[in-house]
Amino acid sequence: EAQVTQNPRYLITVTGKKLTVTCSQNMNHEYMSWYRQDPGLGLRQIYYSMNVEVTDKGDVPEGYKVSRKEKRNFPLILESPSPNQTSLYFCASRRVGMGLSGANVLTFGAGSRLTVL
Amino acid sequence: GQQLNQSPQSMFIQEGEDVSMNCTSSSIFNTWLWYKQDPGEGPVLLIALYKAGELTSNGRLTAQFGITRKDSFLNISASIPSDVGIYFCAGDDGGATNKLIFGTGTLLAVQP
Repeated sequence: EAQVTQNPRYLITVTGKKLTVTCSQNMNHEYMSWYRQDPGLGLRQIYYSMNVEVTDKGDVPEGYKVSRKEKRNFPLILESPSPNQTSLYFCASRRVGMGLSGANVLTFGAGSRLTVL
Repeated sequence: GQQLNQSPQSMFIQEGEDVSMNCTSSSIFNTWLWYKQDPGEGPVLLIALYKAGELTSNGRLTAQFGITRKDSFLNISASIPSDVGIYFCAGDDGGATNKLIFGTGTLLAVQP
């Protein structure tokens, strides 16, 4: 089954304790992206990657890092989490090079709910 | 970052009623997409619109790409309890990365 898999789905941590949220896709997609979802603010892009070793900032990158060493994986790293990073996080992927045709839209993971105390 | 204005923020309706929601932007978009997020899940694509004026249906759902390319609406006819969720519009900024700008979401609750 074609899918984007995120782990963990739920995490409670404390301020300053480094954590990583993993994301993996099995569709051979070039493009991967991380979003955070907050009430009243919709989905905001944190970082994205157009291909292996190519990453760039989205709209809200502060406090986050990413890496893209392999095509299928795109982990989100919080080096020193703070309470304002409490949110619902989504990873998504799609193909590149065909515009946003019907076969080339974003596929989302199920989400990772993070609470930073 | 840029965001789309989506309204209403929430809707509480009776089963069988029709629903309408819309998104507006100050910028022109090349593509409009409508996603639905079920509770505890990630957003799933409902309808994609690629041309100004385009009207597309998917079962009980109908969406239109505004003629000015700055707005879109989604209608749901004869709502059922499984329509519950958050609906997001999204626009493609037309740039090199085809970045999607998301609306703030419409929470739909359907009373059986």
